Amino acid sequence: GNSVTQMEGPVTLSEEAFLTINCTYTATGYPSLFWYVQYPGEGLQLLLKATKADDKGSNKGFEATYRKETTSFHLEKGSVQVSDSAVYFCALRNYGQNFVFGPGTRLSVLP
Amino acid sequence: DAGVTQSPTHLIKTRGQHVTLRCSPISGHKSVSWYQQVLGQGPQFIFQYYEKEERGRGNFPDRFSARQFPNYSSELNVNALLLGDSALYLCASSLRGGGLAGLPTSYEQYFGPGTRLTVT
Repeated sequence: GNSVTQMEGPVTLSEEAFLTINCTYTATGYPSLFWYVQYPGEGLQLLLKATKADDKGSNKGFEATYRKETTSFHLEKGSVQVSDSAVYFCALRNYGQNFVFGPGTRLSVLP
Repeated sequence: DAGVTQSPTHLIKTRGQHVTLRCSPISGHKSVSWYQQVLGQGPQFIFQYYEKEERGRGNFPDRFSARQFPNYSSELNVNALLLGDSALYLCASSLRGGGLAGLPTSYEQYFGPGTRLTVT
């Protein structure tokens, strides 16, 4: 079946540090891959997505590249801000199926 | 435009009781999906509805049921509550729906803020 694995948190960084949150997936075929972000007390918001191998999704300084050879979709940001503190979810959707989410990674950015 | 709205925000119930959660999708969206998010975990798919018909069901017991109304709003019902049902219940709407096989893998869902259910 389809599954998503993320690095365990929490991840604690200082402001302006480089961020990487690892995500790997297991799926047959060619799923689309997503990163969602959940701020405290809110629902999930789509951060970025990629629909095929080697696509790069980007938004608000975050980016992730769909790597089919390593079944990965790692999230990166060059310089994090305190306002980026949230829980980040990697997810996939395969053809004819519903979304599958990873367990989430909590990010805390200290001033 | 208003986003996805859910009510109530918080709810406390006792084991064995029944609960109804409500969701209003974004205006113009015809598909609603429900997810359960247990603390510290990612959302787990429960149901998808499109045009008032169930189009997908996750691995949840029959105690969970849902329906969609002509105005595309939706209710999630849970009977005989268990302690393990305590979670954040998220509703997501999307413009398109239909059978899952008819949707591109890239279609987007827009989530509401959720209803926090606590079962004691």
